[in-house]
Amino acid sequence: GAGVSQSPRYKVAKRGQDVALRCDPISGHVSLFWYQQALGQGPEFLTYFQNEAQLDKSGLPSDRFFAERPEGSVSTLKIQRTQQEDSAVYLCASSFRGQNTGELFFGEGSRLTVL
Amino acid sequence: EDQVTQSPEALRLQEGESSSLNCSYTVSGLRGLFWYRQDPGKGPEFLFTLYSAGEEKEKERLKATLTKKESFLHITAPKPEDSATYLCAVQGGSEKLVFGKGTKLTVNP
Repeated sequence: GAGVSQSPRYKVAKRGQDVALRCDPISGHVSLFWYQQALGQGPEFLTYFQNEAQLDKSGLPSDRFFAERPEGSVSTLKIQRTQQEDSAVYLCASSFRGQNTGELFFGEGSRLTVL
Repeated sequence: EDQVTQSPEALRLQEGESSSLNCSYTVSGLRGLFWYRQDPGKGPEFLFTLYSAGEEKEKERLKATLTKKESFLHITAPKPEDSATYLCAVQGGSEKLVFGKGTKLTVNP
């Protein structure tokens, strides 16, 4: 596709359920990021991949959060045993660069609501 | 710890009324300062990268400038379609961006 594609766009989960959010980056983009954006806040870094290697996961808030990019293309962010504080928009971004990756192409996000 | 503070939180302008948005930052070893635009329900859209103090970038009615402690996004003769949230971010010693909370700009016709 022409841009970064994320699915689902909206997800409602009951507290304690597991969720999986998918990101399809722009074809050929080396770097992939996940950010979390709470209402009225700026995006906060979660994790970063270069190809299939997860090089930085320092922003993942707990061990309930897990991300993978097994073939260096599509990525999945998984949240286990969801809590209400996990409610946010999860943004995926990609860049063709392997380094100096500040110029990012963002998807429209997956809005997660935990009841 | 890298930090970004944006002001004001919200700004209302009349069409044609020029103004500036501020981004103050602290970062260990600035590799780049970035401006993004975010429309409601959308992901951020890249606008500018600034690398060193004194640098300026322009695009249509927008001009971004950088000093050692802050960046300004100047909006000249804004139009209603410029209404959006403008996000500032810095990149320091790693690949991640640290974002501010943004300035919500409303331009009334």
